[in-house]
Amino acid sequence: DAGITQSPRHKVTETGTPVTLRCHQTENHRYMYWYRQDPGHGLRLIHYSYGVKDTDKGEVSDGYSVSRSKTEDFLLTLESATSSQTSVYFCAISTGFTDTQYFGPGTRLTVL
Amino acid sequence: TQLLEQSPQFLSIQEGENLTVYCNSSSVFSSLQWYRQEPGEGPVLLVTVVTGGEVKKLKRLTFQFGDARKDSSLHITAAQPGDTGLYLCAGTGGTSYGKLTFGQGTILTVHP
Repeated sequence: DAGITQSPRHKVTETGTPVTLRCHQTENHRYMYWYRQDPGHGLRLIHYSYGVKDTDKGEVSDGYSVSRSKTEDFLLTLESATSSQTSVYFCAISTGFTDTQYFGPGTRLTVL
Repeated sequence: TQLLEQSPQFLSIQEGENLTVYCNSSSVFSSLQWYRQEPGEGPVLLVTVVTGGEVKKLKRLTFQFGDARKDSSLHITAAQPGDTGLYLCAGTGGTSYGKLTFGQGTILTVHP
């Protein structure tokens, strides 16, 4: 298995609070991605990174920001969480932009 | 935005039966991937198809990429309870170059 961990694995928070999810990889892969998974929608790309400090938006980026200060870590921040951001969040990594993506175990976030 | 329509959304069958899951789009994809996801885990890649008309087999699973590279199917022969899970198709290419576009997923339950 690709060395990808996500933390926390579960989190319950209240509307309006900031939340940061962490993705850590030990594979030295250049590309990292954040997805959210909701019933009936499959996985949707939030943001991705193609290198340290290089990030770009995905299809559902509103309300989310990301940072990548080290190759191994990719952070996803919800500045002010809303109930619509209740979801399961997955991080993925790949060596190249069109190469196979390997997924982490996910973080279940509940916003009350 | 490229869309992938997956059908059926839910499939409940008895052990030993055959089944087919479909993944259709009006857009052309340069490659199509199939993932399997178990509860509490991230998606795991099963196969990638890249050539129109391509057929790949993985034990009891047969994957086909349409001639026009707009659709794909996953056929499972003699399903077993261990096949139970969420199956996702994902495409890359065209206007979503490099980014994976996921279908909504098919939840398969195989009863003993």
